Amino acid sequence: EPEVTQTPSHQVTQMGQEVILRCVPISNHLYFYWYRQILGQKVEFLVSFYNNEISEKSEIFDDQFSVERPDGSNFTLKIRSTKLEDSAMYFCASSGQGVYGYTFGSGTRLTVV
Amino acid sequence: GIQVEQSPPDLILQEGANSTLRCNFSDSVNNLQWFHQNPWGQLINLFYIPSGTKQNGRLSATTVATERYSLLYISSSQTTDSGVYFCADNTGNQFYFGTGTSLTVIP
Repeated sequence: EPEVTQTPSHQVTQMGQEVILRCVPISNHLYFYWYRQILGQKVEFLVSFYNNEISEKSEIFDDQFSVERPDGSNFTLKIRSTKLEDSAMYFCASSGQGVYGYTFGSGTRLTVV
Repeated sequence: GIQVEQSPPDLILQEGANSTLRCNFSDSVNNLQWFHQNPWGQLINLFYIPSGTKQNGRLSATTVATERYSLLYISSSQTTDSGVYFCADNTGNQFYFGTGTSLTVIP
């Protein structure tokens, strides 16, 4: 069964540093997403990306976040200057036409120290 | 967005026991999914179940779309079933998650 792959599974970074989280969506999918889960809380939508641009974003997705599809296979989330409160699990997801085959990756745990 | 309520919030089971987890939605069900989040935080998809019943080993799920709820059954629980169980549904391209049921299975 096709999978969404996220690397690394755990990343530790110093406050103020830039961090890039990487995802390889399912190969024929067209829509890409990032979600965030702060420890002990529910999973929340950050952003959706389609046709090389952001199609929707939440209030959480402020100017310190950006997304990119640098090549035909990767989808990345960049946090420019990490804060302690950015520590969370970050989940990537992808889907085909609309929400068809919407699949989540297993996540990257980001720890900001 | 959709409001998703899960019950119970916490559950402790003796190994071998059965349990039922519930998910209620504020709006019509679209593409309901159940997930298991293991102790390492990884999100594992269990079921895509917008309606009807599905079974996978000791787990099964039932969604009654007309009444806007879904149930996840765990039979003969094992310690490896421990973790948090989430349900989620979408509006447009965005999924909304419940607050989860934290399950602890003790030997």
